[in-house]
Amino acid sequence: DQQVKQNSPSLSVQEGRISILNCDYTNSMFDYFLWYKKYPAEGPTFLISISSIKDKNEDGRFTVFLNKSAKHLSLHIVPSQPGDSAVYFCAASEETSYDKVIFGPGTSLSVIP
Amino acid sequence: DAGVIQSPRHEVTEMGQEVTLRCKPISGHDYLFWYRQTMMRGLELLIYFNNNVPIDDSGMPEDRFSAKMPNASFSTLKIQPSEPRDSAVYFCASRRDRNTETQYFGPGTRLLVL
Repeated sequence: DQQVKQNSPSLSVQEGRISILNCDYTNSMFDYFLWYKKYPAEGPTFLISISSIKDKNEDGRFTVFLNKSAKHLSLHIVPSQPGDSAVYFCAASEETSYDKVIFGPGTSLSVIP
Repeated sequence: DAGVIQSPRHEVTEMGQEVTLRCKPISGHDYLFWYRQTMMRGLELLIYFNNNVPIDDSGMPEDRFSAKMPNASFSTLKIQPSEPRDSAVYFCASRRDRNTETQYFGPGTRLLVL
């Protein structure tokens, strides 16, 4: 039973437009959320995170929004660039222990020039 | 820093053979994680170590899987005997300490068991 869900396996966006990647979770004990980005033949790399005490965290072109009541978070990329084409993993953990991070299945983003 | 190093990058073996995957974490990192990525199950945690001690191996699928960390700079994941359903990409990751959340992943080992 998946505790972290990314219901869109893939997404295509035009360069310069906004990319929105969605993630839902079921475990109410999760209070820390992360996004990782993965290029082919490479390992995932950390992108951005958010604690449950916040509802928004921004880092350059990347913003993560958290809606705790809906158990939903989203990653916004504005503006999207071709180099953003990758698989994006949503992940969650309990802040008391960052050890066991549960990853979603990933969303493959294609940014079309 | 060279990052997390994994070897081999690719492994093709026959069912029943022993497979050993290797990982060198980032120097100074206290935690080491082994993950497996498959189409069906995504990225799942197999086992992790803190200061070379295995903390949680509940994700290890079967007794055929074992992992060791003899020192702070080296870990192995062994599958004996291997089966076709073990075919996957295996990632090693390390993390600096208990107060940091970021894990640094190696490039992965793509394993194919025929």
